[in-house]
Amino acid sequence: GAVVSQHPSRVICKSGTSVKIECRSLDFQATTMFWYRQFPKKSLMLMATSNEGSKATYEQGVEKDKFLINHASLTLSTLTVTSAHPEDSSFYICSAREVTGGYEQYFGPGTRLTVT
Amino acid sequence: AQSVSQHNHHVILSEAASLELGCNYSYGGTVNLFWYVQYPGQHLQLLLKYFSGDPLVKGIKGFEAEFIKSKFSFNLRKPSVQWSDTAEYFCAVNAQSYNTDKLIFGTGTRLQVFP
Repeated sequence: GAVVSQHPSRVICKSGTSVKIECRSLDFQATTMFWYRQFPKKSLMLMATSNEGSKATYEQGVEKDKFLINHASLTLSTLTVTSAHPEDSSFYICSAREVTGGYEQYFGPGTRLTVT
Repeated sequence: AQSVSQHNHHVILSEAASLELGCNYSYGGTVNLFWYVQYPGQHLQLLLKYFSGDPLVKGIKGFEAEFIKSKFSFNLRKPSVQWSDTAEYFCAVNAQSYNTDKLIFGTGTRLQVFP
């Protein structure tokens, strides 16, 4: 149980285009999902907390107009990287917390974004 | 602000050696503590967690961690590592009184185990 999927696993896009990444909790409901960015040989940096039915809470320094987050249902959150630039190339990971669970988070496999 | 430090960035061991990975956090209130593991090419998985009670926590695959409040530490241990333990290990902290679900991660420790 507690499986989180992400789609796509890899995406290459041209500079200036937008890319949408989906995060789904497959066998549980998640009121809260989290989006992280992982740099090579670095830790996970929390970008935003996504709450079902309300606006996401962004961490300091993360542009909310660039990284659009939507959490329309208890099993799906999406991250859209708008007008992507090469510096947005990274590994994006989502996690989800069960509605009835504790503070532990279940992580998706990540999405490798390359902007050319 | 909360922070998590993992001082061992890269650890190399032979099979059967004992392992201890350090984790220190900077927050004086009540915390929830976690160790996650990321095997090569795989997603983060929970190894163990501490919320309250016995400060010695046992996790999966023979791992354990000890919460020492006075030292703000939550070190991960395993008496005898295996080649399959080669992975990246992340310590994470959630500060309860901040009324948030956020996890703050350490920078990770890369463990390489040689047969």
